[in-house]
Amino acid sequence: GAGVSQSPSNKVTEKGKDVELRCDPISGHTALYWYRQSLGQGLEFLIYFQGNSAPDKSGLPSDRFSAERTGGSVSTLTIQRTQQEDSAVYLCASSWGLEQFFGPGTRLTVL
Amino acid sequence: GIQVEQSPPDLILQEGANSTLRCNFSDSVNNLQWFHQNPWGQLINLFYIPSGTKQNGRLSATTVATERYSLLYISSSQTTDSGVYFCAVEGAAGNKLTFGGGTRVLVKP
Repeated sequence: GAGVSQSPSNKVTEKGKDVELRCDPISGHTALYWYRQSLGQGLEFLIYFQGNSAPDKSGLPSDRFSAERTGGSVSTLTIQRTQQEDSAVYLCASSWGLEQFFGPGTRLTVL
Repeated sequence: GIQVEQSPPDLILQEGANSTLRCNFSDSVNNLQWFHQNPWGQLINLFYIPSGTKQNGRLSATTVATERYSLLYISSSQTTDSGVYFCAVEGAAGNKLTFGGGTRVLVKP
């Protein structure tokens, strides 16, 4: 079946602009996660959604970052007023049990 | 939070060689996964292995949860095995994977 999909695959933006990144999890997976991979910080957790429960936002680096998950499926990660340090690959994962499956990522470049 | 350390950081192999990658973690875990990140950046699931031993083709993994480490074995390495291997764990508090720094593997023909 289809895996986790993310769009766009690449995004170049100017400093100060807002961006939206999309994640479509594997059908039937109740949990959805966002991670970020950057050169200096490695792979780090951002936010976690599980069903209708309140999301775990403990990994979001600043209040410029927010995420929502509509209808228990698709999720959007929004970064407002982008900064150059936001440049990274943003990865989405989903799971039904404990094993997580990752999408191909969105490479964000902030000029 | 839980700490994850991988060793070695870099590994150069001749095609056909065997190797062992290690992952140490600092606390009890509910989940441990090994991933291979291919040249395009995709994280490929290798093993879900919070304890015990599993094998998949030329790859196998063992996790000794009581001693807080996991090993990934690559046998008869091929050039397509090149890439970065990540160990990631989910602690008892749950909700997220904490990744190690990875082992970069280069298999030379």
